[in-house]
Amino acid sequence: DTAVSQTPKYLVTQMGNDKSIKCEQNLGHDTMYWYKQDSKKFLKIMFSYNNKELIINETVPNRFSPKSPDKAHLNLHINSLELGDSAVYFCASSQDRVDEDTEAFFGQGTRLTVV
Amino acid sequence: AQTVTQSQPEMSVQEAETVTLSCTYDTSESNYYLFWYKQPPSRQMILVIRQEAYKQQNATENRFSVNFQKAAKSFSLKISDSQLGDTAMYFCAFINPPGIQGAQKLVFGQGTRLTINP
Repeated sequence: DTAVSQTPKYLVTQMGNDKSIKCEQNLGHDTMYWYKQDSKKFLKIMFSYNNKELIINETVPNRFSPKSPDKAHLNLHINSLELGDSAVYFCASSQDRVDEDTEAFFGQGTRLTVV
Repeated sequence: AQTVTQSQPEMSVQEAETVTLSCTYDTSESNYYLFWYKQPPSRQMILVIRQEAYKQQNATENRFSVNFQKAAKSFSLKISDSQLGDTAMYFCAFINPPGIQGAQKLVFGQGTRLTINP
């Protein structure tokens, strides 16, 4: 069973379109994240949710809207896509504590290409 | 705010050599976890090793070990007997517990691109 799964794996779309990336975790974790990895491989946190509540929003444009229908899902919707949105987007989850089992699990990433 | 710094953008060594990747971090927390993640060309993020701040003993996982210096806020990764399959981006990461300093947050360094040459 895949711990954190995100779909699609690849997404090619035109400027101005609206698209969504889905993420699901079956680990029972409380916290889920979205990261953006740019062409220089830098991983920048975008959002963090804890038990369906938005906890962190790292000055991401309003065109990006996360939605958490339940604790196991955190989807990312992007409106009016721009060329600069092209990147790899990672979903991750972790337990809401720091102990010997602490670990963040990642999805396989979604490579978004805006043309 | 917590920050993680990896000062080596790229490194390259010969197969079977030992290599050390550097990482420093900044936090006012007393309890936290540090990680090294590996990202091969497949782009999957793979946990290599983790260290709890309260544990003085350095973590080891087979050929991978860390040198954790809490006072210096340093967390380096040593790879012994390097193999071709170790070629990847390596990310140092920090996670804090949720609490008065804010929400739990997983913060990454800029990454080090490691190449193992045959």
